[in-house]
Amino acid sequence: DAKTTQPTSMDCAEGRAANLPCNHSTISGNEYVYWYRQIHSQGPQYIIHGLKNNETNEMASLIITEDRKSSTLILPHATLRDTAVYYCIVRAGASQGAQKLVFGQGTRLTINP
Amino acid sequence: DSGVTQTPKHLITATGQRVTLRCSPRSGDLSVYWYQQSLDQGLQFLIQYYNGEERAKGNILERFSAQQFPDLHSELNLSSLELGDSALYFCASSVGTTGVGTDTQYFGPGTRLTVL
Repeated sequence: DAKTTQPTSMDCAEGRAANLPCNHSTISGNEYVYWYRQIHSQGPQYIIHGLKNNETNEMASLIITEDRKSSTLILPHATLRDTAVYYCIVRAGASQGAQKLVFGQGTRLTINP
Repeated sequence: DSGVTQTPKHLITATGQRVTLRCSPRSGDLSVYWYQQSLDQGLQFLIQYYNGEERAKGNILERFSAQQFPDLHSELNLSSLELGDSALYFCASSVGTTGVGTDTQYFGPGTRLTVL
């Protein structure tokens, strides 16, 4: 699986959009970009994933650049409850057989009142 | 709530002992994964089972073993425990798609193991 690079920490004001970048310059054509977050010591929570196109769900939006070498997770209106460590993970599709998730250090996002 | 359940929530034991952690996957999921999160190692994949069969192995110690039962719940057995085994242990489950597309994993709340 391709390696990802994320900033160690970020701050965002409550109510503003939080934009979390991720670089994955060695991503392959069949690899997906996944985002999870971990609030304190809770289990990682799935947020969103994408292959090529931008994706949006009730939690966040995922913007993937055209060359797929980087992506941005957007939390449109951050709340204090969004304070967490956010992990960007690149992994192959199911048909490639690589099922495990490889977690890096992630970005520690702090939402400030 | 992800739909994945894990018991117990906390476990305190002594070195040399053996413990069993239990995981029930989301309804309909065939794959179960175990991960370990310690302070110095981060989240690390241990092992995956699919419909009762071992599918992939990560950095799992020989003292650790797992299995998935016919009802699809899974158990992670940790034996000859050492201080360094103190960690959070997470179970995740997924449908187990093997064809086109991807297969999203959903995590349980974890078991915090403390070895004294």
